[in-house]
Amino acid sequence: GQNIDQPTEMTATEGAIVQINCTYQTSGFNGLFWYQQHAGEAPTFLSYNVLDGLEEKGRFSSFLSRSKGYSYLLLKELQMKDSASYLCAVKDSNYQLIWGAGTKLIIKP
Amino acid sequence: IAGITQAPTSQILAAGRRMTLRCTQDMRHNAMYWYRQDLGLGLRLIHYSNTAGTTGKGEVPDGYSVSRANTDDFPLTLASAVPSQTSVYFCASSPGLEGTGELFFGEGSRLTVL
Repeated sequence: GQNIDQPTEMTATEGAIVQINCTYQTSGFNGLFWYQQHAGEAPTFLSYNVLDGLEEKGRFSSFLSRSKGYSYLLLKELQMKDSASYLCAVKDSNYQLIWGAGTKLIIKP
Repeated sequence: IAGITQAPTSQILAAGRRMTLRCTQDMRHNAMYWYRQDLGLGLRLIHYSNTAGTTGKGEVPDGYSVSRANTDDFPLTLASAVPSQTSVYFCASSPGLEGTGELFFGEGSRLTVL
């Protein structure tokens, strides 16, 4: 079956750096996405990786290793507003997104 | 800029009743999707449409139906609601299947079936 694994919850301190890991097993691979979802709101797009390596976008970076079925989202200079759930999703061979359950990130002052 | 509009935002429904969740997008996106989101579970695809006039079943289609008469609208119908359909429902759209295929989500419809 298809599976996306990510930690359920993580805690970090304001101003610090946090890495959220995602491992996947899917039938085919057509890209990996990270979305941010604040409580009670809709998910919003953060990043997309289809080739191995690091994609940097401001304070957020996303890394992909297709051979390891692994990705991480790196958040730098954490701010209180970064408290949210972070969803990892993989587009499979049918171009459908398979979603992880999300990682709830708690930022403490 | 509206993007995707869902209605209603919240609804309490008696079991056995019929309910339609509305979804409209103004971005002229080809693909549209309905997901449900439950605590502790990832977003689960209910139905999708790659283009107007076509629909397909997702991971959890039972008890739900959709139609795609035109590009903009993609309503989701619960023919006879059951308590297990209590969830938050998100409608989403994307320009197409390939490429980045970034999804744009509506604000969600919180449905409670009693």
